[in-house]
Amino acid sequence: EPEVTQTPSHQVTQMGQEVILRCVPISNHLYFYWYRQILGQKVEFLVSFYNNEISEKSEIFDDQFSVERPDGSNFTLKIRSTKLEDSAMYFCASSELGSLSGNTIYFGEGSWLTVV
Amino acid sequence: DQQVKQNSPSLSVQEGRISILNCDYTNSMFDYFLWYKKYPAEGPTFLISISSIKDKNEDGRFTVFLNKSAKHLSLHIVPSQPGDSAVYFCAASEETSGSRLTFGEGTQLTVNP
Repeated sequence: EPEVTQTPSHQVTQMGQEVILRCVPISNHLYFYWYRQILGQKVEFLVSFYNNEISEKSEIFDDQFSVERPDGSNFTLKIRSTKLEDSAMYFCASSELGSLSGNTIYFGEGSWLTVV
Repeated sequence: DQQVKQNSPSLSVQEGRISILNCDYTNSMFDYFLWYKKYPAEGPTFLISISSIKDKNEDGRFTVFLNKSAKHLSLHIVPSQPGDSAVYFCAASEETSGSRLTFGEGTQLTVNP
């Protein structure tokens, strides 16, 4: 089965440092997403991306966050200056279509970010 | 954000019996609902979904029921197998606003042999 791959699986960074989390979505998918799950909390939507543009973002996705599709395969999430509260599991996801009906959003295994 | 709520953090059932996982929502604009399963150290895996125009959707051992008036959905797994042991997340979306998912807290299902 096709899968979304994420790197790194775990990263420890110092507060204030920049972090880039990388994702390779499924090859024929056109819609990309980042979600995060803080330990003990819900999985939360961060951002969706289509046609090289952000299509929707949540209130969590402030100016410290950015996303990019630098080439034909990678989709990245950058956190400019990490804070302790950014510690979470970050999930990349992708889907073939933008609507949910008859569509499936596939998630990667996650990148665990620890900010110290 | 309490728009999607799974009130049972855990559920334990015997192999072969039925597992019933419940989910409630408050946002009446939600019109598409999904269940995801998650094993430790893995991402959520899509299980089954249902549109608000239906009240039931079945796929093998998995059936999702939607009660719009009660803003409640449930996932039935029959028969339950030990390999079904995982965290199950309910998620909801407003199709008109794209495919942004709002998740519940998750329910840890343990199926005992």
